[in-house]
Amino acid sequence: NAGVTQTPKFRVLKTGQSMTLLCAQDMNHEYMYWYRQDPGMGLRLIHYSVGEGTTAKGEVPDGYNVSRLKKQNFLLGLESAAPSQTSVYFCASRSPELWDRVYFGPGTRLTVT
Amino acid sequence: AQSVSQHNHHVILSEAASLELGCNYSYGGTVNLFWYVQYPGQHLQLLLKYFSGDPLVKGIKGFEAEFIKSKFSFNLRKPSVQWSDTAEYFCAVNVLGSGGYQKVTFGTGTKLQVIP
Repeated sequence: NAGVTQTPKFRVLKTGQSMTLLCAQDMNHEYMYWYRQDPGMGLRLIHYSVGEGTTAKGEVPDGYNVSRLKKQNFLLGLESAAPSQTSVYFCASRSPELWDRVYFGPGTRLTVT
Repeated sequence: AQSVSQHNHHVILSEAASLELGCNYSYGGTVNLFWYVQYPGQHLQLLLKYFSGDPLVKGIKGFEAEFIKSKFSFNLRKPSVQWSDTAEYFCAVNVLGSGGYQKVTFGTGTKLQVIP
């Protein structure tokens, strides 16, 4: 199993540009998450999904959109990038069972100039 | 809403020193507790976890953590740190959120720097 993979690993955007981050998992997990990691802020939940075709807002959803058209993929979109969105983005997935852990992707480092 | 506090933001230790990183959470119900580690240039990895049973949990690389329910704490410990333990450590709490999903809340992280 590849686990959780993220594409791309690095990206530099100019203010106002758009892009989509792709997260894929091959563990048949129902739940998927997008987090951003900023110094001193820890990991903050952007959006999450509890199943194919469903998405919901997390703690810091503004400026982002997501889609879960296929169970194995969770896409994070930035329609108009801003410097405040410079961050490291982590995707994660887990099964619905209560006693289970979260599996993280390797992260995507995004810089918005 | 649940929250997780890591009071030590940056810890500097010499090799062979003992380590204890604090983690406190605020939630009155059943929780799963985790410590994750992120080595420089790498991604998050699970260090150890507590679900139930023995409150003293042993993880990889000689780390352990103790769940003290009365103090809402899950402190991470290691008797003797090594230079290779230099990393950022995140405490995380998993609780049942609304709509039947489990939500993981992370602390702000503690940067550990071990000096040879």
